[in-house]
Amino acid sequence: AQSVTQLDSQVPVFEEAPVELRCNYSSSVSVYLFWYVQYPNQGLQLLLKYLSGSTLVESINGFEAEFNKSQTSFHLRKPSVHISDTAEYFCAVNGGFKTIFGAGTRLFVKA
Amino acid sequence: EAQVTQNPRYLITVTGKKLTVTCSQNMNHEYMSWYRQDPGLGLRQIYYSMNVEVTDKGDVPEGYKVSRKEKRNFPLILESPSPNQTSLYFCASSPSGDRGTEAFFGQGTRLTVV
Repeated sequence: AQSVTQLDSQVPVFEEAPVELRCNYSSSVSVYLFWYVQYPNQGLQLLLKYLSGSTLVESINGFEAEFNKSQTSFHLRKPSVHISDTAEYFCAVNGGFKTIFGAGTRLFVKA
Repeated sequence: EAQVTQNPRYLITVTGKKLTVTCSQNMNHEYMSWYRQDPGLGLRQIYYSMNVEVTDKGDVPEGYKVSRKEKRNFPLILESPSPNQTSLYFCASSPSGDRGTEAFFGQGTRLTVV
């Protein structure tokens, strides 16, 4: 069985500050890992994913996530956030035919 | 434009009155699924379909039905809605069911059952 735990339900942060959104997973098989972002009143869209190879993956808007197999984690980071990054972020894992989503972390960027 | 389209976006209905939420994708994707999103629970899969005429239960299928008669359409049917089905629903599609493929989501349908 697979599961995903997002350790923070809400993360408030000031603009231009760094942020880390934490995600831990459990699985008995090798997995693929995803981060999705949901802006207000919209559906989810892919932010980045880890399939294989380099454990550090990056998105086009400055986010990065590092796959850590020993700690079963896939934390999302950004060195300097913008107001426009305010959204809900979902970590997800797929080890078979379906994707399991975490409960989500609401990132709130303050001016 | 490549997209997943759900209708309606908002729906208020009464207990027991059958309803259908439509979902259509124009990307020729094989895999489609329905999720419900509830605060603190994230997204939970209701049903999924690997291809036309192939559907299977997800984690929370009770009270829902689906069909996949055409590749592009995957409607969600609530035969007798109840208040505990009040939720935000998302349809998603992927090129295949392979575990590394990205899911494309619709805009969501906010359903209230009174």
